[in-house]
Amino acid sequence: LAKTTQPISMDSYEGQEVNITCSHNNIATNDYITWYQQFPSQGPRFIIQGYKTKVTNEVASLFIPADRKSSTLSLPRVSLSDTAVYYCLVGFMGGKLIFGQGTELSVKP
Amino acid sequence: GAVVSQHPSRVICKSGTSVKIECRSLDFQATTMFWYRQFPKKSLMLMATSNEGSKATYEQGVEKDKFLINHASLTLSTLTVTSAHPEDSSFYICSARETSGAETQYFGPGTRLLVL
Repeated sequence: LAKTTQPISMDSYEGQEVNITCSHNNIATNDYITWYQQFPSQGPRFIIQGYKTKVTNEVASLFIPADRKSSTLSLPRVSLSDTAVYYCLVGFMGGKLIFGQGTELSVKP
Repeated sequence: GAVVSQHPSRVICKSGTSVKIECRSLDFQATTMFWYRQFPKKSLMLMATSNEGSKATYEQGVEKDKFLINHASLTLSTLTVTSAHPEDSSFYICSARETSGAETQYFGPGTRLLVL
């Protein structure tokens, strides 16, 4: 399973765009990249998933370069309620997911 | 997105008793479910993979006789913590994998277990 590396923490202010980058140098050909958000005492919530290039949904964008050795989660115009831990996971479709340490995002007013 | 529920949301029990936690996929079928535990300020740790109709696969270091997993239907998996002790106190989270489309994993809200 590909190991992921993310910044331990990030600070931002309301209204700013936040980009969290995840490194996964040994990603396999069949692996997908999935991002989850977790609030304290809650289960992780699915944000976005992708294989290559760019994926966008109503809450975020995911940028994946051609070599797929990293990915960037982009959160547009964050609010206080986006304060949470964000996890980047890599694994083949339907396979088990191994969580890394995640990135603790703190959004300030 | 798909919805996964867990019951109970929190439970307090005496040391030596057994506790059962249910995980249900409410609007999709899941041949595979996963069980995690999470300690305060730590990341999720995968305990086992639960496959409908077959034995669960446990991660290294997880006692299968301690944490009994049953996946009797396409929408229900249960985790039973047998003879619970205070060190088993933790936040237990399940996830269910869609069997169609992107096969994304969706997580339940978690169960807080406190063993006295």
